[in-house]
Amino acid sequence: GAVVSQHPSWVICKSGTSVKIECRSLDFQATTMFWYRQFPKQSLMLMATSNEGSKATYEQGVEKDKFLINHASLTLSTLTVTSAHPEDSSFYICSAIRLSLGNEQFFGPGTRLTVL
Amino acid sequence: GDSVTQMEGPVTLSEEAFLTINCTYTATGYPSLFWYVQYPGEGLQLLLKATKADDKGSNKGFEATYRKETTSFHLEKGSVQVSDSAVYFCALRDSWGKLQFGAGTQVVVTP
Repeated sequence: GAVVSQHPSWVICKSGTSVKIECRSLDFQATTMFWYRQFPKQSLMLMATSNEGSKATYEQGVEKDKFLINHASLTLSTLTVTSAHPEDSSFYICSAIRLSLGNEQFFGPGTRLTVL
Repeated sequence: GDSVTQMEGPVTLSEEAFLTINCTYTATGYPSLFWYVQYPGEGLQLLLKATKADDKGSNKGFEATYRKETTSFHLEKGSVQVSDSAVYFCALRDSWGKLQFGAGTQVVVTP
């Protein structure tokens, strides 16, 4: 199946700093990627839809100035958590749509962010 | 809006037991329905799906049938193995193409 990678797999940072998370589709091109947030023992919450070459579309309640998304190429989307605070600590998961497989979403392994 | 409700876990079973995880949905129109599995330390993987009423999705011994009349998509497996221990998510794809997930059900299978 299609492979989606995320980097880093885990990161610890100090409060007030910014953290960038990369999401790559390794063997296919993805015009659309999604970013989710998962709290412990809870479901995935869609944060935003990332479209290659255009601005991301954010879900209601998600601060676009805090969670910056850039989809600069057909295989890479990045999520930058700006001025991170402890409440931003979470598991961030991306997914990419593979059009040739019926628009199925393929998920990355996730990135664990801990803000001290 | 569209939503998915699934039974809470954890569900603890002995090996070779029968597994059922209930999932019901609320949606406008006729969404596609999915079950995803998340093994410890890994990303979500598509387990099975159904795109229209009465469709049955199946994979790795798991089955789920799209029931429009009861708005349900229950997951079943006749004989679970220790390797089936994971978190299972029911999801629907709404009219915008976005996935809406249930809260997830942790399944623990003991030898």
